[in-house]
Amino acid sequence: QKEVEQDPGPLSVPEGAIVSLNCTYSNSAFQYFMWYRQYSRKGPELLMYTYSSGNKEDGRFTAQVDKSSKYISLFIRDSQPSDSATYLCAPDAGGTSYGKLTFGQGTILTVHP
Amino acid sequence: DADVTQTPRNRITKTGKRIMLECSQTKGHDRMYWYRQDPGLGLRLIYYSFDVKDINKGEISDGYSVSRQAQAKFSLSLESAIPNQTALYFCATSEHGTGAPFHGYTFGSGTRLTVV
Repeated sequence: QKEVEQDPGPLSVPEGAIVSLNCTYSNSAFQYFMWYRQYSRKGPELLMYTYSSGNKEDGRFTAQVDKSSKYISLFIRDSQPSDSATYLCAPDAGGTSYGKLTFGQGTILTVHP
Repeated sequence: DADVTQTPRNRITKTGKRIMLECSQTKGHDRMYWYRQDPGLGLRLIYYSFDVKDINKGEISDGYSVSRQAQAKFSLSLESAIPNQTALYFCATSEHGTGAPFHGYTFGSGTRLTVV
């Protein structure tokens, strides 16, 4: 079993829709939970991160972590065509493993006008 | 100039050839990483280096080697390229984590490598 599982999609939604992107993980040591966004022909860029369980909101984006069920979510409200990208979840254990990220497979999202 | 620069951007090479991908950074970060990205498999760690004298194998290091020439430079070599090494390769950097605010990785724009 992979340490991090992410539905690769692809996911296609109309503009204005609410998008839910999800990952599950198996390593209980993960403490930091990141979401990266990758546009076509570009490197991934950090979108949001949370520490431990709970929610974090940044504009139209909300990251949610449930450590008890090992489930990570990213919600996008009022989705825009500019949100079309690949989204990758990436948990991190911290400590001596800090920074050595394990990425999910990535979900390809297309928001059409 | 980009914070993390990868060269070349694209490369086509023949099976059996030795090839080097280069990465340089101006972030001043100690930690550098090489990942490859394949459709449906996400990003997989090849090698990582937490400082100039520290080199570690990642998940898929077979067939690859690295050199950390300086804090700012980390190169990846394919000693004898094979077609299943065709992929998108990314270099990334990060700050030392302990006690510091976390800003995630900074990625380069990638090198698209095709082995024929």
